Amino acid sequence: AQTVTQSQPEMSVQEAETVTLSCTYDTSESDYYLFWYKQPPSRQMILVIRQEAYKQQNATENRFSVNFQKAAKSFSLKISDSQLGDAAMYFCAYRSVAANTGNQFYFGTGTSLTVIP
Amino acid sequence: ETGVTQSPTHLIKTRGQQVTLRCSSQSGHNTVSWYQQALGQGPQFIFQYYREEENGRGNFPPRFSGLQFPNYSSELNVNALELDDSALYLCASSLSVTGRGRTEAFFGQGTRLTVV
Repeated sequence: AQTVTQSQPEMSVQEAETVTLSCTYDTSESDYYLFWYKQPPSRQMILVIRQEAYKQQNATENRFSVNFQKAAKSFSLKISDSQLGDAAMYFCAYRSVAANTGNQFYFGTGTSLTVIP
Repeated sequence: ETGVTQSPTHLIKTRGQQVTLRCSSQSGHNTVSWYQQALGQGPQFIFQYYREEENGRGNFPPRFSGLQFPNYSSELNVNALELDDSALYLCASSLSVTGRGRTEAFFGQGTRLTVV
């Protein structure tokens, strides 16, 4: 079974600074998706960024970028120019590409990000 | 807003009772997945419905059951509630097609269930 590990329960960053959240995963599959989701106090999971394992180029979405190291099974999220609205719980998630697994996600335990004004 | 709505938003039940949670999927989506998120934890996969049939299940006992309707909305039923069932229950909808053409999953805001 796939496992996702987030070793930083809490992180803080000064507004306008850069912060990196870590994630490692374990799988025997060669093709899969990795995601970072944000969960604010409103509880709704919001997709931040997605990476397809077969793509070597790291995904980028505005201030959010990832460092995907497939051999090391590492998938970190970098938030640049942090804003107060970035404060939330961040979850790293894995999803298989295999057709029979549907949309089953494996989530890490989350990192709570605080943004200091 | 993702277009996925869940009801109710909060619920308090007594141990041993039964509960039904509802999820209205985003228009055009044919797959609904349910997750249990205990306090301080990441969501755990319960099961998934595709075209009204269960096609994947996590490590949850049979007292967790579900339905998907022709309009692709879904219900999660939990019988014989236990204190440990207290959690946030999330549903996610997506459009499943063959091969890699699977759309993103969009999550609802969740139902907070408290069992006393």
